[in-house]
Amino acid sequence: IAGITQAPTSQILAAGRRMTLRCTQDMRHNAMYWYRQDLGLGLRLIHYSNTAGTTGKGEVPDGYSVSRANTDDFPLTLASAVPSQTSVYFCASSDGWGTDTQYFGPGTRLTVL
Amino acid sequence: AQSVTQLDSQVPVFEEAPVELRCNYSSSVSVYLFWYVQYPNQGLQLLLKYLSGSTLVESINGFEAEFNKSQTSFHLRKPSVHISDTAEYFCAVSDPSGNTPLVFGKGTRLSVIA
Repeated sequence: IAGITQAPTSQILAAGRRMTLRCTQDMRHNAMYWYRQDLGLGLRLIHYSNTAGTTGKGEVPDGYSVSRANTDDFPLTLASAVPSQTSVYFCASSDGWGTDTQYFGPGTRLTVL
Repeated sequence: AQSVTQLDSQVPVFEEAPVELRCNYSSSVSVYLFWYVQYPNQGLQLLLKYLSGSTLVESINGFEAEFNKSQTSFHLRKPSVHISDTAEYFCAVSDPSGNTPLVFGKGTRLSVIA
C-alpha cells in the first residue's frame, strides 16, 4: 500500500520558472490538502479539496494554484516561482473532515533561487 | 475561528525522564483535538486524537493526552521518554461541523538527550 506519493523529492528552481508538484493517493480519500512547512511557522495550509472537482483556498494561497480532476491526483502549481516559496511542501489526504485522520506524503523540498 | 497555541517551540529532556508538551486551543464551539508527530525527514502521522467520551486518550507508544474543556487544553505527556521519541509534535483542532479544515499549531520540537 503506497498511501500518498509526492514528486519530485527535491528540486532547485530558478526564480520566475513554472513548477508543478505532484501528489497521488491510492486510498480513495475524498479530501486532499497542500501544506508548506517553514521553520518557526509550523504547517500552513495552501489549498485544499473536499472532493474531486472542487478546491478551496487555505491560509497562504497566493502564488499557488491547484486542480482536482479526479479523486487520486492533486497537483500544486507555482506559476512563477519566487524565493519566498522556498519550503518543504506536504500533500495530505483524508476520507472527510472533522474526525478523520489526515495521511501525509513524504514531502517535496523546494529551493527557489 | 479556531486556533491552536503550542506554548513551547523546543523541549529538551533527558532519556527516561517525563515530558509534557503543552497545547491550548480557542474555539467558540465544541472541537475535535489531535496530536501528530513528525520524525526527522518524514511527513506527519497521527499520534492520538480526542473525539468524544473519555477525556484521556492514549497512543500505542506510551503517550497520553487529556482534554480539559475548562482550561481549553490538550497537553501531551509521557512518563518516560526514549531517544526514539525525538521528533516534532503538532497539536491540531477541527470543527465537528466539518466546515473548515484542520488547524495546526506551530509545533514543538522534542529532543531526547542520552
